[in-house]
Amino acid sequence: NAGVMQNPRHLVRRRGQEARLRCSPMKGHSHVYWYRQLPEEGLKFMVYLQKENIIDESGMPKERFSAEFPKEGPSILRIQQVVRGDSAAYFCASSEQGSGNTIYFGEGSWLTVV
Amino acid sequence: KQEVTQIPAALSVPEGENLVLNCSFTDSAIYNLQWFRQDPGKGLTSLLLIQSSQREQTSGRLNASLDKSSGRSTLYIAASQPGDSATYLCAVPLSGSARQLTFGSGTQLTVLP
Repeated sequence: NAGVMQNPRHLVRRRGQEARLRCSPMKGHSHVYWYRQLPEEGLKFMVYLQKENIIDESGMPKERFSAEFPKEGPSILRIQQVVRGDSAAYFCASSEQGSGNTIYFGEGSWLTVV
Repeated sequence: KQEVTQIPAALSVPEGENLVLNCSFTDSAIYNLQWFRQDPGKGLTSLLLIQSSQREQTSGRLNASLDKSSGRSTLYIAASQPGDSATYLCAVPLSGSARQLTFGSGTQLTVLP
């Protein structure tokens, strides 16, 4: 039973380019979350999605960031026109339906903006 | 707004020692509390999940307790091993939401052989 799968694990982008991070939740999980860990900072919630729906995006920056979880395929976190401050580890997590369930994290995608 | 604090920020112990990591949170209206382990350059591994109705959970050498009224949780590690070296994070759902987790800044544990 594969865990939460994220790719790419490491991504280097030049300022102004786009970054796309992908996440496949654990089998049977219908809830996906994205968190960001900036250097020397703790993990911060970004967005919570279910299939084809954004449930809570209160942690997403207002511009350049978007997320989706289509009916088919992985969840995508998209960052347009990246800046140096976007350099961070982006973690995806998933859980089963219903509150109170354990949330499982992927290995993360490390974005470096040069 | 929920705030989570972990003390100490770093801890170094000799192998075999029992140790306690502390986590406190400001809003006691939580659904559950989860402890994670993070190795350098890696993702988070879930260790224990304590529901709000529970007082403690055990898994192997790990025991986590929860005192909602005082806003505290502890993670007890028995007979520590060098392989336990990692950063330990506690997280609670944001007040009013069962989904959005608020993380502490973690305790960086080093177990010396």
